[in-house]
Amino acid sequence: DAMVIQNPRYQVTQFGKPVTLSCSQTLNHNVMYWYQQKSSQAPKLLFHYYDKDFNNEADTPDNFQSRRPNTSFCFLDIRSPGLGDAAMYLCATSSRDISTDTQYFGPGTRLTVL
Amino acid sequence: GNSVTQMEGPVTLSEEAFLTINCTYTATGYPSLFWYVQYPGEGLQLLLKATKADDKGSNKGFEATYRKETTSFHLEKGSVQVSDSAVYFCALNSGGSNYKLTFGKGTLLTVNP
Repeated sequence: DAMVIQNPRYQVTQFGKPVTLSCSQTLNHNVMYWYQQKSSQAPKLLFHYYDKDFNNEADTPDNFQSRRPNTSFCFLDIRSPGLGDAAMYLCATSSRDISTDTQYFGPGTRLTVL
Repeated sequence: GNSVTQMEGPVTLSEEAFLTINCTYTATGYPSLFWYVQYPGEGLQLLLKATKADDKGSNKGFEATYRKETTSFHLEKGSVQVSDSAVYFCALNSGGSNYKLTFGKGTLLTVNP
């Protein structure tokens, strides 16, 4: 089945130690999104890629970076994780060629910062 | 700007009870409307969607009708099951050059046997 895959599902890192989360998709969608979701809250958009064009949200901290080396993969880099960065990180995709609005989410990566 | 307001949870029901989760929105233009469901420890799954006024989205026994006159998209199910226990998010996308989803705060549903 075509899908959005996130690895790892659970990630533990130490305060200040860089960490990278991975997302891949077999949907061939041209838009990929990264969200942060804290407990009992709605997902918060960090940034998205439209093809290779990167779009950062105004309130996303500089500590968060992203890379998209090809259509299928997108990475979220947290340069110096703080305790406040512990959250679920969700990747999503959409296709502006097929449906301009529907986003499909991966299962998420739960990040713990010690 | 765009906003989505969902009924406050948590909602606790007995199996086979009728479910309604209210959702109203504020948006410019003609947004698409969505319900996503999130099971514990999982990502969001698209439950249903509607793209224009009077459209009804439906899936797995859940329904919601796009009501432009009342700016609402209430989620309903006639008979809930224990397996429906999850968090439900109402969301909108106003399209155009802005493809962001605006989410409500989510409603936790617990269904007891």
